[in-house]
Amino acid sequence: EVQLVESGGGLVKSGGSLRLSCAASGFSFSTYNMNWVRQAPGKGLEWVSSISATYSPYIDYADSVKGRFTISRDNAKNSLYLQMNSLRAEDTAVYYCARALTSVAGIDYWGQGTLVTVSS
Amino acid sequence: DIQLTQSPSFLSASVGNRVTITCRASQGINSYLAWYQQKPGKAPKLLIYAASTLQSGVPSRFSGSGSGTEFTLTISSLQPEDFATYYCQQLNSYPQSFGQGTKLEIK
Repeated sequence: EVQLVESGGGLVKSGGSLRLSCAASGFSFSTYNMNWVRQAPGKGLEWVSSISATYSPYIDYADSVKGRFTISRDNAKNSLYLQMNSLRAEDTAVYYCARALTSVAGIDYWGQGTLVTVSS
Repeated sequence: DIQLTQSPSFLSASVGNRVTITCRASQGINSYLAWYQQKPGKAPKLLIYAASTLQSGVPSRFSGSGSGTEFTLTISSLQPEDFATYYCQQLNSYPQSFGQGTKLEIK
């Protein structure tokens, strides 16, 4: 059974940092592209970042987080990470770790989400 | 960047109705569009990918169509469990983007 379990969320002050982790199991983690997607309270979905499965992974970010967030993966530990620096109130959201079915087919598995609250 | 606009944003319908949700892209995205269903407090669920391919395990009353800039999600006969919020997502180019969502409510 595919499982994605996020951790690391919490309350942080504006300008602070957090590191989110996602533990993956039940599939060959190293062969899948992975994503972070967030959802502010009462709002819609926002794609945050993707990292490909290749040895030299392709990485991209939403403009809203570029230069502040860093996505990474450790295939030996079946883990995905999101380092979030210079946090702002507008980064407050549930952050989902998500597996891409393929690079162009969408997300077929999602974690339960971890809440990040940035206080101003 | 590619913008996705869903219409309508809110939809009220009854069990058994046929409903259609539209997603328009600000530029062509081939068929690289996915549809998701999200219920309150839950993670989204993939319904359709590549514009018209039904994800495994999704009921056949859901269907998708379109290419280029205009896409539709159709539910042929609404069931009580279908009342939720629906999102489209484009995967043609980075940054990937989602539509703003369509909330489907019971009439």
